[in-house]
Amino acid sequence: NAGVTQTPKFRILKIGQSMTLQCTQDMNHNYMYWYRQDPGMGLKLIYYSVGAGITDKGEVPNGYNVSRSTTEDFPLRLELAAPSQTSVYFCASSYSMARNTEAFFGQGTRLTVV
Amino acid sequence: KQEVTQIPAALSVPEGENLVLNCSFTDSAIYNLQWFRQDPGKGLTSLLLIQSSQREQTSGRLNASLDKSSGRSTLYIAASQPGDSATYLCAVFQGGSEKLVFGKGTKLTVNP
Repeated sequence: NAGVTQTPKFRILKIGQSMTLQCTQDMNHNYMYWYRQDPGMGLKLIYYSVGAGITDKGEVPNGYNVSRSTTEDFPLRLELAAPSQTSVYFCASSYSMARNTEAFFGQGTRLTVV
Repeated sequence: KQEVTQIPAALSVPEGENLVLNCSFTDSAIYNLQWFRQDPGKGLTSLLLIQSSQREQTSGRLNASLDKSSGRSTLYIAASQPGDSATYLCAVFQGGSEKLVFGKGTKLTVNP
């Protein structure tokens, strides 16, 4: 069991470039989440998904897009990168609410937009 | 809108001390509450999960309590060690919205 795997670990983007942050989990979890963490600001929810084919916006979705074509994968797409998107991005997964189990996190992707 | 607050934001204690970290939330309609640990530059590691019907959970030197009606949880760490130094975050699984809402964390430093 690898758990939640995020790639890449680090990335530097130029303003206006695009990229996809990859997230995959091997625990057959229904729920998957993308957060960003800025110093002193805690974790803010960008997008989440409760199952394949279903996604919804979190607190800070602007500038991002997601898709969930399979249970395992939940990529986060940044279009037209801006300096405000410099942050550490975390992907997480858990079973459904009915299972009432803990959430697991990936190791994060540190993104710098210059 | 659910808001999760953690007090204090930072805490420094000598090794061996028992300590309590606090977490409060504004909406009691939660499925569960989870405590995480985050080391610098690392991801989040789950420490304890308390379901909404439970009052407390224990794991080794850690004990977490939940008072859902008052919107409070505490994480008790016994006999603290330098290796406990990290940021501790609490998060609630919000009922009806399928979201995990985080506090900003408490940065703990345990001095040898």
